[in-house]
Amino acid sequence: GEDVEQSLFLSVREGDSSVINCTYTDSSSTYLYWYKQEPGAGLQLLTYIFSNMDMKQDQRLTVLLNKKDKHLSLRIADTQTGDSAIYFCAESTKLSFGAGTTVTVRA
Amino acid sequence: DAGVIQSPRHEVTEMGQEVTLRCKPISGHDYLFWYRQTMMRGLELLIYFNNNVPIDDSGMPEDRFSAKMPNASFSTLKIQPSEPRDSAVYFCASSLTDYNTGELFFGEGSRLTVL
Repeated sequence: GEDVEQSLFLSVREGDSSVINCTYTDSSSTYLYWYKQEPGAGLQLLTYIFSNMDMKQDQRLTVLLNKKDKHLSLRIADTQTGDSAIYFCAESTKLSFGAGTTVTVRA
Repeated sequence: DAGVIQSPRHEVTEMGQEVTLRCKPISGHDYLFWYRQTMMRGLELLIYFNNNVPIDDSGMPEDRFSAKMPNASFSTLKIQPSEPRDSAVYFCASSLTDYNTGELFFGEGSRLTVL
């Protein structure tokens, strides 16, 4: 199977929370990343978490890591229209990226 | 800093033609990566360089693909001959330090269409 898997689409109402989930296979990954891609642009690092952490919070972003289940999630609080983009989960060992989750924020 | 610069931004070519994509990494970055993005396969790592030396090219699809980095400020990805299934967005990225801890900085991509 794929090294990193994530759901492809998420639709959320403006002001609600978004939760994007990701699973990965390589337990030796030191870092796990979330990148954001806006239309017509390259990917930009949004946030990352070190593998010995369970949670990291950065303003509206919360990253949760469950190493036992190899599950990573990104929560965006108070989702805004500017958060509409493709979000990629990535791991540091093989530099593998998920296929990306397209988040659509509706008014 | 101007960021990672890729050219061309868009390329339309016919099957069988040679395609050359170019990348200028951020000055001072030791690592350079080439990725391919398609709807079907998502983002795939093709090859990466450290200090101009190819480290892992296991992601290169086949012999039609080749990549070079003649100096620290320039890299090319060449497809010869091109095929319709090569149509994708090709991203170049660079990183300052060991990629295990460093952020990848991506260019805006080169969208290739092979007819």
